Amino acid sequence: GDSVTQMEGPVTLSEEAFLTINCTYTATGYPSLFWYVQYPGEGLQLLLKATKADDKGSNKGFEATYRKETTSFHLEKGSVQVSDSAVYFCALMDSSYKLIFGSGTRLLVRP
Amino acid sequence: DSGVTQTPKHLITATGQRVTLRCSPRSGDLSVYWYQQSLDQGLQFLIQYYNGEERAKGNILERFSAQQFPDLHSELNLSSLELGDSALYFCASRAGGGVLETQYFGPGTRLLVL
Repeated sequence: GDSVTQMEGPVTLSEEAFLTINCTYTATGYPSLFWYVQYPGEGLQLLLKATKADDKGSNKGFEATYRKETTSFHLEKGSVQVSDSAVYFCALMDSSYKLIFGSGTRLLVRP
Repeated sequence: DSGVTQTPKHLITATGQRVTLRCSPRSGDLSVYWYQQSLDQGLQFLIQYYNGEERAKGNILERFSAQQFPDLHSELNLSSLELGDSALYFCASRAGGGVLETQYFGPGTRLLVL
């Protein structure tokens, strides 16, 4: 079945460092891909999405590009802030429109 | 604010009890999805309703059931609760169609079974 694999956390960075969180997927067809973020004590917020190959989703300085050839959707940010500390989930939407999530990657940004 | 509301925010109960979680989707959204987030299982899809009808089932236990009412709010019923049912339960409503498909999540209900 469809699945999503994310890099294990936690990822600890200093403020203004470059962030990459790896995400790869296995799916039949070409699903839409998403990144959701969960801040401490809160629910899931949609961060960005991409719906087809080579699409780039972006929001709040975060970017991810849908790479069909490598079945990847890595999340990047050029300069992280302390306020970016959260858990990030990569997900795909399968053919029945439900989301399949990766295990989540906790990001901790130190001042 | 996603526009999806969930009540209650927190719930503490005992093993063997039954609870009901409530979700109101965004205005105009006909689909409601329920997910469970636990430490050992991660985020898992439970069940989906569309305009009052069950559309898809995931890893939902037989002790759990759901329904969607004519006003489109949904309830997730958890019965004969066990310690392992302690988790964060999210509902999401679906916006758009085709490539615009996106799910927006409520703030969740945190269930603690003692």
